[in-house]
Amino acid sequence: ETGVTQTPRHLVMGMTNKKSLKCEQHLGHNAMYWYKQSAKKPLELMFVYNFKEQTENNSVPSRFSPECPNSSHLFLHLHTLQPEDSALYLCASSQRQRYNEQFFGPGTRLTVL
Amino acid sequence: AQSVTQLGSHVSVSEGALVLLRCNYSSSVPPYLFWYVQYPNQGLQLLLKYTTGATLVKGINGFEAEFKKSETSFHLTKPSAHMSDAAEYFCAVSDDSGGGADGLTFGKGTHLIIQP
Repeated sequence: ETGVTQTPRHLVMGMTNKKSLKCEQHLGHNAMYWYKQSAKKPLELMFVYNFKEQTENNSVPSRFSPECPNSSHLFLHLHTLQPEDSALYLCASSQRQRYNEQFFGPGTRLTVL
Repeated sequence: AQSVTQLGSHVSVSEGALVLLRCNYSSSVPPYLFWYVQYPNQGLQLLLKYTTGATLVKGINGFEAEFKKSETSFHLTKPSAHMSDAAEYFCAVSDDSGGGADGLTFGKGTHLIIQP
């Protein structure tokens, strides 16, 4: 595997389900990010992890819970989501000292019924 | 706080014609500017970036962009469009001048359509 990978690529869940999105970067980076991409809206930054420490939480509802066990892995735990949470969730990574150039994964297309 | 405005949610050009995608930004500090491309069902791929130095930046696939501080613009161009250029293009800004890890602020995107 190279670059940034995300699993699953597609996820359908009910509002009472609990699921997790996984992101793995194979680039040796030390910062990781979650973005939400909804139709007709700009990409929204959700969370930033810098050396495994969360440095930004962009007013994200608590039904989204991130976890970064090490600098290569990032999770987004989901519970009691709403239909308006349906979107493409993108993970990205960067090297902290490299002008913030971010490398993106292919995303997880989430549908909440 | 920084922001990005991309003029035109859809741009249509003929194959072989000039591509011009517009981006204006606002930032309280000297910005780092990026253009990303997104093909259907894929993540974002970096086309080019401006950090410091030369204001005309060349990227992949024949694209280039010019940083104009006086106009707060970073427009993306390509001399001759190809069918494979059809995609969504995003301009982004980061004012992270401290070398830290901050998220990017993105524009809403411009969907580029190539007419045969």
